[in-house]
This record gives sequence, C-alpha cells and structure tokens, in this order.
Amino acid sequence: QSALTQPPSASGSPGQSVTISCIGTSSDVGGYNYVSWYQQHPGKAPKLIIYEVSKWPSGVPDRFSGSKSGNTASLTVSGLQAEDEADYYCSSYAGNNKYVFGTGTKVTVL
Amino acid sequence: QLHLQEAGPGLVRPSETLSLTCTVSGDSINSGDYFWGWIRQPPGKGLEWIGNIFYTGNTYCNPSLESRVTISVDTSKTQFSLKLTSVTAADTAVYYCVRLRRFADYVDSWGQGTLVTVSS
Repeated sequence: QSALTQPPSASGSPGQSVTISCIGTSSDVGGYNYVSWYQQHPGKAPKLIIYEVSKWPSGVPDRFSGSKSGNTASLTVSGLQAEDEADYYCSSYAGNNKYVFGTGTKVTVL
Repeated sequence: QLHLQEAGPGLVRPSETLSLTCTVSGDSINSGDYFWGWIRQPPGKGLEWIGNIFYTGNTYCNPSLESRVTISVDTSKTQFSLKLTSVTAADTAVYYCVRLRRFADYVDSWGQGTLVTVSS
C-alpha cells in the first residue's frame, strides 16, 4: 500500500487557477470513486474539501473542484485567494476497508 | 456538534508502547454509518492512515503498521484507543483521532491532534 503521488508544490497568483494531481493505481484511485481531498493550514487539523471525487461538503466554496481519470485524480482551485495557501492531501479508498493518503502538495499564492 | 479529543503521554521511550485514547462527544459512537480511526503526521511530513474500528469492534489497519497496532473501542465510555508497540523515533508524529464516513470513505471530523515524541 504505497502513498499516492502528488507534486510537492504548486503556485499561482490571486485569481488564477491551480491544479494538483494525485496518482495512484487501479487498486485505489482507479478502482473506486472514493477519492477525497483535504486542506491543511499550518498547525491545524486537515479539513475536508472534496469527497467522492467531485462532491462538496457543506460550506466549501465551489472554487474547489475535483475530477478523476483512470488512476489519476485532480483538484483544481479556481480564483485563488490568499487563504487558499495551504497543504493539500488526496486520499483514496484502497479496498478491504483500507485507505491511503497522497504525499501532499504545498500551494503558494504568489 | 461532534467533538473528538485525543489524550495520552506526549513522550514515549523507544521500544515501549504508545497509548492514546479518543473521547467522542456530541454524537453516538454506536453508529453504523461511521468508522472511528487514527491518522498520524510526522513533523513536516504527510498524513498516514493508521487504522479504523467499527463500533462492533471490527478493526482494519495499515498493512505497514498492522503487526504493531491495536485499536479498541469502549462504547460505554464513548472512547476508542490506539496502542502502538515497539516504537522508534520514526513513530514521532502528531496523532489525530478521526471519524470516517462509511460507504463514501472520507474523514468528516478530526480531533485537534496530539504530538507524541519518541525519545529516551
């Protein structure tokens, strides 16, 4: 059960969009539509921002969007705002009630 | 409003057992809709799923940690616990207790996290 692969960093100017990839295998990302994304600010617990690939929890702005193609899931943050600067983690169901996280991506708002 | 609170020693000696308890308040621990779990994050590093437990006591663990992990639940105290044996410095991390939504498989609630340092 290896960690899902994310780019270490991504950046964009305010108002721009940034997309983060999350590469897994057919045993996790590719095998189930149970990919979730979490935002983590320094010193804080992570916060759910996307679940089941592309669904929004209550209170999360639709500037955050998720998608999946094959073994790769993606998170797009549109209309970047200063408060979007954070670490982002993907997670996937991996069968047999087991889960795996991504390696994490630090998003910088320039 | 669900609240999860971790409790346990902040310092554990190498080769000893790390023990943490999570107290659940604001919702029932006896729900068939959720797993209760543990996730950890070494300083400056990413998240790692440790394992989950259902209120019936069924447990599911990360294969890389399975031989050292025990997760238990006490529904009468609305608590669940983590024991990690034979710890090393690599087990130093912030440990979060969490609630996972079954059949949708996401973490919808997190405790504040507790830093456990393994050091002599």
